This record gives sequence, C-alpha cells and structure tokens, in this order.
Amino acid sequence: DTGVSQDPRHKITKRGQNVTFRCDPISEHNRLYWYRQTLGQGPEFLTYFQNEAQLEKSRLLSDRFSAERPKGSFSTLEIQRTEQGDSAMYLCASSPTGRFSGNTIYFGEGSWLTVV
Amino acid sequence: AQTVTQSQPEMSVQEAETVTLSCTYDTSESDYYLFWYKQPPSRQMILVIRQEAYKQQNATENRFSVNFQKAAKSFSLKISDSQLGDAAMYFCAYRAPEKLVFGKGTKLTVNP
Repeated sequence: DTGVSQDPRHKITKRGQNVTFRCDPISEHNRLYWYRQTLGQGPEFLTYFQNEAQLEKSRLLSDRFSAERPKGSFSTLEIQRTEQGDSAMYLCASSPTGRFSGNTIYFGEGSWLTVV
Repeated sequence: AQTVTQSQPEMSVQEAETVTLSCTYDTSESDYYLFWYKQPPSRQMILVIRQEAYKQQNATENRFSVNFQKAAKSFSLKISDSQLGDAAMYFCAYRAPEKLVFGKGTKLTVNP
C-alpha cells in the first residue's frame, strides 16, 4: 500500500493553457475526492467519486473544471483555460466505504498549480 | 450547511509543554465524525485523531487527545509533551456523511 499518489507535484502554466492532474488512490478504496487548498486556508471540497460515478460537485467546480474516474481506479482533474485564480494546491484523497473503515479519508501530497 | 471554525490562526508552545487547539462546528446532524489533521510545511496532510459523535468517550492517540463536547459543538485537540516535530498546520474537519468540511487551520509553532 503506497498511499495516495498525485502527479505532477508541481505545475507552472501560462494563463489560458489547459492542465491535467492525475490521482492514484489507495488500492481498493472506492471513494476518491478532489479538494483545492489556497495559501493560509483549509482545503475546500471540489468533487467526489464512488467507483466511476461522480456523485457530488461543488459550486467551486466551474465549467472549466472536469474530473473523471473512468474505470473506478485513478482519476484526472482537468482545468481548461486556466486563470490566475486557479493557482492553488489540488489535493486528492481516498477512502473505503462501509462503517468498518472508520470513515477516515487519506490524502495525497497534492499538486501545486501556479498560473502565470 | 455545516461549518467548522478554528478561532486561533496561530499558537505557540514550548517543547515538552501542553497546548490546546480549539475547534467549533455547526451541524444539525446527530451522527457524524470529527477529525484533526496535521499538515507539515510542504508535506502531506495526515490524520492525527478522529472522534465518532455517538461515542461519549474522548478519543486518545498517544500524546494527542480531544475534548469533545457534543452539546456545545466543540472539539478541541490537546497535545501533551510537545515535540519539535509537532510544528505544523492543524486542521479540524467534520464529516457527515460523504465529504470533509475543514476549518481554516491553526499554525502551531514549537519553541525549543
């Protein structure tokens, strides 16, 4: 069990470009979450999947953002036409379901995005 | 909507001493989970301790313990025998049932 893995860890992009982040959850965790964290703030929920189904999206997830989890394993978060306000750390997390799991959510190290 | 409030943006403690971080939350649910996460600088967020709302007993994990007051919707974290490695951002979080709602965090400095 290698934990939640995110790639790339850092990305610098020009305004208007598209970027994609990948997340590999802990194996057999069927829930996968995306959060955004800006400096000095707590993480803010963006969206989550149960297996391949995207069950909830925050209002923070504008039309320029899209997340997928095609086979219920890894997930991608794409940001189109990036803006400077998108600069943040994007955190992925996963958890098992079921009461036995204790409902703990495990986080990856995050992907830092800087839009210049 | 559920909200989590951490009223102490920064705290400091001397090594080996005890410090308490405050957290309050707002919810209309009766069954939920509460968590404290630690985020060292430029490092991964890790779970420190969790509390099930239906349990009256306060959770304890080694030097970390909580004071859970359900009626007051208060969930404070006590760190005993503070160590230099405890320096980090600490986030209080509420889960009910599908996602975590975080506070803004408390930055803890440990002075040698």
